[in-house]
Amino acid sequence: ETGVTQTPRHLVMGMTNKKSLKCEQHLGHNAMYWYKQSAKKPLELMFVYSLEERVENNSVPSRFSPECPNSSHLFLHLHTLQPEDSALYLCASSQEFGQPQHFGDGTRLSIL
Amino acid sequence: GENVEQHPSTLSVQEGDSAVIKCTYSDSASNYFPWYKQELGKRPQLIIDIRSNVGEKKDQRIAVTLNKTAKHFSLHITETQPEDSAVYFCAALLDSNYQLIWGAGTKLIIKP
Repeated sequence: ETGVTQTPRHLVMGMTNKKSLKCEQHLGHNAMYWYKQSAKKPLELMFVYSLEERVENNSVPSRFSPECPNSSHLFLHLHTLQPEDSALYLCASSQEFGQPQHFGDGTRLSIL
Repeated sequence: GENVEQHPSTLSVQEGDSAVIKCTYSDSASNYFPWYKQELGKRPQLIIDIRSNVGEKKDQRIAVTLNKTAKHFSLHITETQPEDSAVYFCAALLDSNYQLIWGAGTKLIIKP
């Protein structure tokens, strides 16, 4: 299944670097999501966009900056990250809120 | 805040036996409850979902039951097979913002 594609799959960066994660969906969905997945913890919703407008920001530190230029693309810009930010970052999309979410394979992020 | 509790965190069953995973939610207005399966190194995938207007839904070897009064729902897998080994996540849709709140996951191990 290639409905939701995330790049890169793996990323190692230092705390002073700036990098971006990319997500693209080919499903014609209107809503897109960024999640953080850490071991043995619930999925943490970070950002939600509906038709390119941010509708939810769950108290995420400002070192994470989302961008949604159109309904098919979603970015997560990273800068000055901390070691505790190491995790799997998952992108998802759904037709509308309350509809099934389709996930990408995620980006495994490691902060040195 | 609202939450979803999932038990057990790890479940080991003999191949061919049944497995049951239980979740309890706090938002009494929740009306959508999906279950996702995540194999090692892969994306979470929706395996079954249920809405509050029904008490049970079945799809081949997988079933979900919902008790709205008690605010809990369960995943039932019958005749387990090695390919059922994975982490299973439950979630509940918050009525306030139509976003999913996730359980912490259950690692299901199928013993040959």
